[in-house]
Amino acid sequence: AQSVTQLDSHVSVSEGTPVLLRCNYSSSYSPSLFWYVQHPNKGLQLLLKYTSAATLVKGINGFEAEFKKSETSFHLTKPSAHMSDAAEYFCVVGRPYTGTASKLTFGTGTRLQVTL
Amino acid sequence: GAVVSQHPSRVICKSGTSVKIECRSLDFQATTMFWYRQFPKQSLMLMATSNEGSKATYEQGVEKDKFLINHASLTLSTLTVTSAHPEDSSFYICSARGDLGEQYFGPGTRLTVT
Repeated sequence: AQSVTQLDSHVSVSEGTPVLLRCNYSSSYSPSLFWYVQHPNKGLQLLLKYTSAATLVKGINGFEAEFKKSETSFHLTKPSAHMSDAAEYFCVVGRPYTGTASKLTFGTGTRLQVTL
Repeated sequence: GAVVSQHPSRVICKSGTSVKIECRSLDFQATTMFWYRQFPKQSLMLMATSNEGSKATYEQGVEKDKFLINHASLTLSTLTVTSAHPEDSSFYICSARGDLGEQYFGPGTRLTVT
């Protein structure tokens, strides 16, 4: 079984300040973890993925996330927010590919607002 | 990265008609594709898992006779909403699974049933 909890439904930051989007997961196996971003009326874009390699994962657009097993967390960060970062962000947990279809479980999403 | 396309991006149909949505993986072969539904301001809900050459696996509560899925090739899966009703209006998103279990998502199809 697997689940994911995004602790904040809405986060607002000023442009140029750091971004922190929090995510905790639960899994009965070593999970794969992902962050996806969705802009209004658009599909989802993969930001980054953790698949049991390095615990600090760097993604696109300056985002990164750190896998902390002891805290069952996978928080998303960015040093300096840009207006174009305003979107919905989903933390996702999945089972590493084992030869059978692996489902993804989505968090409820965090809406990031970036103000001037 | 891997590219997944969906067609159409937006469709309006009358109640009682059927609508087909196509999902294509453009630069890789996908033995497994997924279909999701997303309601406004909500997360994605998995509807079904589509495996090439076999029957789709539907999630609990999803009517397989209403949402027909066909995965005839390694690059194409289709979702047909049969006898559509206004409550079927939603944003439908497909994805194709990569080698590490990640999924690459299409841009979505906005279905409006009048």
